Amino acid sequence: DGGITQSPKYLFRKEGQNVTLSCEQNLNHDAMYWYRQDPGQGLRLIYYSQIVNDFQKGDIAEGYSVSREKKESFPLTVTSAQKNPTAFYLCATAPGYANEKLFFGSGTQLSVL
Amino acid sequence: DQQVKQNSPSLSVQEGRISILNCDYTNSMFDYFLWYKKYPAEGPTFLISISSIKDKNEDGRFTVFLNKSAKHLSLHIVPSQPGDSAVYFCAASSNQAGTALIFGKGTTLSVSS
Repeated sequence: DGGITQSPKYLFRKEGQNVTLSCEQNLNHDAMYWYRQDPGQGLRLIYYSQIVNDFQKGDIAEGYSVSREKKESFPLTVTSAQKNPTAFYLCATAPGYANEKLFFGSGTQLSVL
Repeated sequence: DQQVKQNSPSLSVQEGRISILNCDYTNSMFDYFLWYKKYPAEGPTFLISISSIKDKNEDGRFTVFLNKSAKHLSLHIVPSQPGDSAVYFCAASSNQAGTALIFGKGTTLSVSS
């Protein structure tokens, strides 16, 4: 069953805690992306990666970190430096990295306790 | 500054009528445009796209029109159905390596029966 798997579906973070959101894909896509959705704010780009062991900051990268050690995986860590982490996080993939439609996972809702 | 703008946060339409969702952009380098549909707590799903070399693209009930001189595109849904009720995001990109999709803030469409 091909697709993009994001886990967990819901995640709670305590003050000062780092949490990691998982994104795995078996579509053999080169590019992977992390977006954040806030109510009324649309989707804002956090980080993206076009190839293994390489990634670039998006518009709102502060307080986040990523890694791309395998083509299939692009985990996002929300660090304690991110002061407003409550949001719906979406992982996406694309076959290439220019003018390609994105395929999205089902998202992770992160809330602060 | 927003590069992709959806100025109508919401739209209400009766079943069977036409829904017209609008999107404006400011970056003249954008040459690929997409519309996504999103239900709450789910990832966006791709609807339709258009390249800047075209001014119209049609797929079933969905048609996207592009007016490059006005930097404006619109999505027409005919006839509208209650199942079309969702948030619709306009997105744009340019044909430059490494450019991710830039999304608007979305328009919530409600189709009443």
